[in-house]
Amino acid sequence: DIQMTQSPSSLSASVGDRVIITCQASQDISKFLNWYQQKPGKAPKLLIYDASNLETGVPSRFSGSGSGTYFTFIISSLQPEDIATYYCQQYGNLRTFGGGTKVEIK
Amino acid sequence: QVQLQESGPGLVKPSETLSLICSVSGVPITSHYWSWIRQPPGKGLEWIGLVYYNGHTDYNPSLKSRVTMSVDTSKNQFSLKLTSVTAADTAVYYCARDTVTTGGGFDPWGQGTLVAVSS
Repeated sequence: DIQMTQSPSSLSASVGDRVIITCQASQDISKFLNWYQQKPGKAPKLLIYDASNLETGVPSRFSGSGSGTYFTFIISSLQPEDIATYYCQQYGNLRTFGGGTKVEIK
Repeated sequence: QVQLQESGPGLVKPSETLSLICSVSGVPITSHYWSWIRQPPGKGLEWIGLVYYNGHTDYNPSLKSRVTMSVDTSKNQFSLKLTSVTAADTAVYYCARDTVTTGGGFDPWGQGTLVAVSS
């Protein structure tokens, strides 16, 4: 099984800050990594697929990079509406989610 | 516009079988893979498994012995059965289109349905 280690588990940042979340796979998954945003009481929303491709309609302040076993997700300028929990998800072998990162406003 | 809607009992007794249906609209169910994902209250997401209309399935190894998924093409629905449930199976259950095999992710998702396991 492929394990996904996401960090940090939570963070607090100010509006306008750059936020970085990392996700590490237990084995090489090439570029097969997606990122989701989940707001309280809602289903997750796909933001980035194939490690770095922005889903249609998603603001450009969101970005992703990486390949192999190490991936990063960046919010370039944190906005109040970005308060949510973010999850990575691999599909190199079956599917596995990371543990999530809860993003709060300082 | 593709839409998914979960349905099924909100309460299941321990040791019994949890059964859910996901109704798909806006696209033929034969055109994609479909997944079930769950989220225990206050916790993270867990992929349960996927199904294709031809009967192909892949399951999370940790749940494989208790899970069965199938597709009903006549109703444009797919289903989940989870046997021998315990309190640990209490969660919001989501169905989602699984586009990961064609370069995307889980999109869209249903709104989710809370299933509690309790006597």
